[in-house]
Amino acid sequence: AQKITQTQPGMFVQEKEAVTLDCTYDTSDQSYGLFWYKQPSSGEMIFLIYQGSYDEQNATEGRYSLNFQKARKSANLVISASQLGDSAMYFCAMRTTSGTYKYIFGTGTRLKVLA
Amino acid sequence: NAGVTQTPKFQVLKTGQSMTLQCAQDMNHEYMSWYRQDPGMGLRLIHYSVGAGITDQGEVPNGYNVSRSTTEDFPLRLLSAAPSQTSVYFCASSQGSGWEYNEQFFGPGTRLTVL
Repeated sequence: AQKITQTQPGMFVQEKEAVTLDCTYDTSDQSYGLFWYKQPSSGEMIFLIYQGSYDEQNATEGRYSLNFQKARKSANLVISASQLGDSAMYFCAMRTTSGTYKYIFGTGTRLKVLA
Repeated sequence: NAGVTQTPKFQVLKTGQSMTLQCAQDMNHEYMSWYRQDPGMGLRLIHYSVGAGITDQGEVPNGYNVSRSTTEDFPLRLLSAAPSQTSVYFCASSQGSGWEYNEQFFGPGTRLTVL
């Protein structure tokens, strides 16, 4: 069965510090993609970063990086130098071959950045 | 380029009423999907389509119908609204159906309340 688990319902981080949001996934497929999305209080879904299962290097996009540990089946999002605007809900998602290319989302982590 | 558009933004229905949530994309994307978002449950897939004329069920399809007669449009029909269908509904699209880097683009969402 395909599954995404985000075990941190809510987190706090001090402004300018780094924070790691956890994501573990379960799939027996060899080919899959992992995604992170941000949902601010305004409600829109914003794509942040992608990691393919065959990518040897961790993905990075500006202040976002994905700590991909394939053997542990984890795909943690690291946000460096947190800003007040990073306060939002963050969702981890996966897309696999045997899942008929459906996206599967975790339950999300609500991040609050403190001034 | 409008991206993914959804109408209406807000809707209140009475139990038993039917209605259609509209979704359109102008990016010529193959893959389109409908999600519902409920507190603490992340995004759950209702129905999806890998191309015009092809649709399939997601995780929570009961009470919903879809069709895909054109590449651009993917309406979601509520057959007989129930209070359990009170939720925020998101439509999304992506370029292809493969597991590779295929970011989903989301619409702004429809907030539905069923009384």
